[in-house]
Order: sequence, then structure tokens, then C-alpha cells
Amino acid sequence: AQSVSQHNHHVILSEAASLELGCNYSYGGTVNLFWYVQYPGQHLQLLLKYFSGDPLVKGIKGFEAEFIKSKFSFNLRKPSVQWSDTAEYFCAVGGNNRLAFGKGNQVVVIP
Amino acid sequence: GAGVSQSPRYKVAKRGQDVALRCDPISGHVSLFWYQQALGQGPEFLTYFQNEAQLDKSGLPSDRFFAERPEGSVSTLKIQRTQQEDSAVYLCASRPRSGQGHTEAFFGQGTRLTVV
Repeated sequence: AQSVSQHNHHVILSEAASLELGCNYSYGGTVNLFWYVQYPGQHLQLLLKYFSGDPLVKGIKGFEAEFIKSKFSFNLRKPSVQWSDTAEYFCAVGGNNRLAFGKGNQVVVIP
Repeated sequence: GAGVSQSPRYKVAKRGQDVALRCDPISGHVSLFWYQQALGQGPEFLTYFQNEAQLDKSGLPSDRFFAERPEGSVSTLKIQRTQQEDSAVYLCASRPRSGQGHTEAFFGQGTRLTVV
């Protein structure tokens, strides 16, 4: 069975600061990795995904993530956050026709 | 809209009451999933449909939980004799095709169930 671990559940930072959210997974099969974002009052939306190929994945709104197979990690980064990035971020690993999610990172960006 | 639609958005149930939660997936999507999200947690898998067939129900927490998708489109999650621990947001997601594929799942806004 797949599982996901996210650290630093609550993150508070100022606008223009850099953001990095850690994600470690365990899964014995071919990994499909995702980062989803949930803005206040909205549904889960896909930020980016990795299935194969270039381990550095670029998503929407300036986010990127790097798949490091040897570390079982898929960390999310954004060089300069904006107030509108305030949201909850979930890492997920897909396999066996289901997604396993981490507990999420609540990110608050202070203007 | 063309997204996944769930109803009701909010449901308050007295303990012991039965509830039914509805999901309208994106038209033509083959795969449909239900997840349960407790407060402060990530979504947890409940069950998976491929068209009308329920291929995986291993995540359903008890036999009080039942899901169906009789015509391969709309799905209903039913919870019988609700308990306080059933309080959570119930998320529905759909995906265009079966199997893994290189496609993501699209989520609805969820139904927030509160059992009092």
C-alpha cells in the first residue's frame, strides 16, 4: 500500500519569500506523484504531476517539484510566494486505482 | 459548469440517522472515487468505480457505508445509522479513463457532514 508523509503542517511566510514543502512517499510500484492545492472555500485542484521523464516538473502559478527516486521524495517549491498562494497543499501518490494523500501543509502568506 | 458536482454541500444529521450524498462526475468520465477527509487530515480513499462496477471498496470504514453508481454516471454514498466519528468532508473525484493512465482526478467541492 502506498503512503505519503508531509512535514511542517503549518507554514507562515511573507510575500516574496521562497517556499519549499517536503513530501516523502512509500510505494512499491510505478509511482505517479501529484501536488494538489485547496484554496479557501474551493475544491482540490491539481498543481502539478509526475509520471515519468524529467524529474523536475513545472506546474501552474510558478510552482515546481523535483522527483528524487533515491530519496523517495517529491518536494514542492516556489521561489517567490504571493498572498494569493495562501492555501492548503497536499502531496499524493497514485497507484492501484487510488490516491494516497499526505496530511497537508497549511500555508499562510502574509502581505 | 463542467466540473464534478456534489450535493448537498452541507449536511447535519442526528446520530443514528441515515444520509445519502450525491456525486455528479464530469460527463463521460469512466472512473469515480469517494474519499473521506477528517478535520486536519488529508483525504482517505473509500471506494472506486469503473463505470457502474465497484472495483474496490476496501476503504469503506464499516458496513454502514455503501456506495453505488447504477448507470455508470451519478454516484451515491450512503451512510446508515450515522455516528459522530462519521463527521468529515466527503469528496468525490472522477477521471476520464480506467487504469492508471497519465491523467489526474478532478475533485468536487465535497459534502461536509456533521453528526450531532
